[in-house]
Amino acid sequence: SQQGEEDPQALSIQEGENATMNCSYKTSINNLQWYRQNSGRGLVHLILIRSNEREKHSGRLRVTLDTSKKSSSLLITASRAADTASYFCATDEGQAGTALIFGKGTTLSVSS
Amino acid sequence: NAGVTQTPKFQVLKTGQSMTLQCAQDMNHEYMSWYRQDPGMGLRLIHYSVGAGITDQGEVPNGYNVSRSTTEDFPLRLLSAAPSQTSVYFCASSRPKGGQYFGPGTRLTVT
Repeated sequence: SQQGEEDPQALSIQEGENATMNCSYKTSINNLQWYRQNSGRGLVHLILIRSNEREKHSGRLRVTLDTSKKSSSLLITASRAADTASYFCATDEGQAGTALIFGKGTTLSVSS
Repeated sequence: NAGVTQTPKFQVLKTGQSMTLQCAQDMNHEYMSWYRQDPGMGLRLIHYSVGAGITDQGEVPNGYNVSRSTTEDFPLRLLSAAPSQTSVYFCASSRPKGGQYFGPGTRLTVT
């Protein structure tokens, strides 16, 4: 069964705008990760936030984690056309840290 | 570094045939995993390994076998292909509790 559920399923914005994607999950986690997938390609790891962290930044990306609400958000600031992709959250529920459970993703379209 | 490589890129099988999807990584990562991705879906974990000689089942293991004889390689075997196994297969590797590095995927069609 899928752990993470992203919201919205699809998002269309203009270049320069911010994009926010949300992820909710069901059980306790070790960490939560966000990945990007360009059409027809493999996934690229964006950022990992541990269960004891509340916020993390990486370049134009900002991730928050609220373990009490079992939710996370990914904010992409000043979006570019190259940010057009699908974004997935994945939760690490296994002791080993390798058994990721992915959500169905948010498809982001950034138009110039 | 080549990262994570997968072969073949595309494969068409007939129902009942068997085959092995190859996966190799050159980053000396302990952990490796296999996922499948179906249209409009996220990735579902098939099998994973935390080191040579150690494998475990994921969410959708039926119809697939794996082995991990070396750190570098993690092949996925389809025992008797079925149309329900038509999918894109991704292999990934990582260090413990780190982000995963994904291969480019194998697009499999079973007719």
